[in-house]
Amino acid sequence: EIVMTQSPATLSMSPGERATLSCRASQSVSSDLAWYQQKPGQAPRLLIYGASTRATGVPARFSGSGSGTEFTLIISSLQSEDFAIYYCQQYKDWPPLTFGGGTKVEIK
Amino acid sequence: EVHLVESGGGLVKPGGSLRLSCAASGFNFRFYTMNWVRQAPGKGLEWVSSIAYSGVYIYYADSVKGRFTISRDNAQNSLYLQMNNLRAEDTATYYCTRDMVDTSMVAEFDSWGQGTLVTVSS
Repeated sequence: EIVMTQSPATLSMSPGERATLSCRASQSVSSDLAWYQQKPGQAPRLLIYGASTRATGVPARFSGSGSGTEFTLIISSLQSEDFAIYYCQQYKDWPPLTFGGGTKVEIK
Repeated sequence: EVHLVESGGGLVKPGGSLRLSCAASGFNFRFYTMNWVRQAPGKGLEWVSSIAYSGVYIYYADSVKGRFTISRDNAQNSLYLQMNNLRAEDTATYYCTRDMVDTSMVAEFDSWGQGTLVTVSS
């Protein structure tokens, strides 16, 4: 099973700041990695797939990068609606599909 | 517009059973792999099961294998999860999700339902 580890667990940021979220895989997942955003009381939303491709309707301030075992999600300038929990997920080698534990981006 | 609506959740005693349903609309259901993902209260996401668009390939998480059964009815545009021998640790919101790309099994979940809460407690 591929273990996904996200860091930090919590990121305290101010609106307008740049946020950098990390995701590490226990073995290579190539570029088979997705990022999801989840707001309180809502279902997750696909942000990024293929490690770096934005899903339909996702603003350009969200960008994903990385391959192999190290991945990054960057939010270039935090907007109020971006404060949420972010999960990474690998789909290179499954079952099982595995998610990271999440990074909560909170208002400082 | 893709629409996924789960139903069937509720309170059940340990050892009991529940059948979750997911009604799909807005896309050609028969061509898409479908999945169940759950989230325990205050916790992260956990993949539960996937069924290929063809219905031929079916996968389960080890935590539910032998107790849960995923199925689909393409004529009814519906996905199901039969859950037997439920345990306290199965308590979660269960989401129905769709793979982004049709006729594939890539597991990029581009559409999610609103979820249905299953509570296992005596």
